[in-house]
Amino acid sequence: AQRVTQPEKLLSVFKGAPVELKCNYSYSGSPELFWYVQYSRQRLQLLLRHISRESIKGFTADLNKGETSFHLKKPFAQEEDSAMYYCALRLGAQKLVFGQGTRLTINP
Amino acid sequence: DAGVIQSPRHEVTEMGQEVTLRCKPISGHNSLFWYRQTMMRGLELLIYFNNNVPIDDSGMPEDRFSAKMPNASFSTLKIQPSEPRDSAVYFCASSLRRTEAFFGQGTRLTVV
Repeated sequence: AQRVTQPEKLLSVFKGAPVELKCNYSYSGSPELFWYVQYSRQRLQLLLRHISRESIKGFTADLNKGETSFHLKKPFAQEEDSAMYYCALRLGAQKLVFGQGTRLTINP
Repeated sequence: DAGVIQSPRHEVTEMGQEVTLRCKPISGHNSLFWYRQTMMRGLELLIYFNNNVPIDDSGMPEDRFSAKMPNASFSTLKIQPSEPRDSAVYFCASSLRRTEAFFGQGTRLTVV
């Protein structure tokens, strides 16, 4: 089955500590992966995509095909990073499926 | 562009009633998605359209759910009859080809 798994529903870290949100996928084709973020009272929005290989707001994510993972990382968490994070996989040309999401809380 | 517009923002209805959720995608986008968000299951893809044609409705829970896209600027998701377990936040999103998906603000549905 083609799916995205985020094993942690909740993650809490202290400000300044490193953050890693886990994402694993299952897909027989060539994966196209994304991270979306939903801040409080805001729309779900794209954070980054693996194709771009960019760092957004200090976050990076590397596609590891051997481990079928696309973990999201940030070396030093900030309070404004508190949000709901979703890993997403594009299947084929358009279909976009999401994981269950991880609620990240950054403690002061 | 105001982005993807969903209405209503909140809907409270009684079990057994018909509920219609509406979505206006971003002008020029050719794909439209309906998702359901719950604590237990996260964001589930219900159905998606490409050029107004339903491509994959395998995520639609059951026959009580139906979706239409009569033109490029409007889509509806209907639940008839509604049940308490349908309570969730329903999101509409649109995209152009392989670009990112843009989400609406969602409709919070409560069925009592």
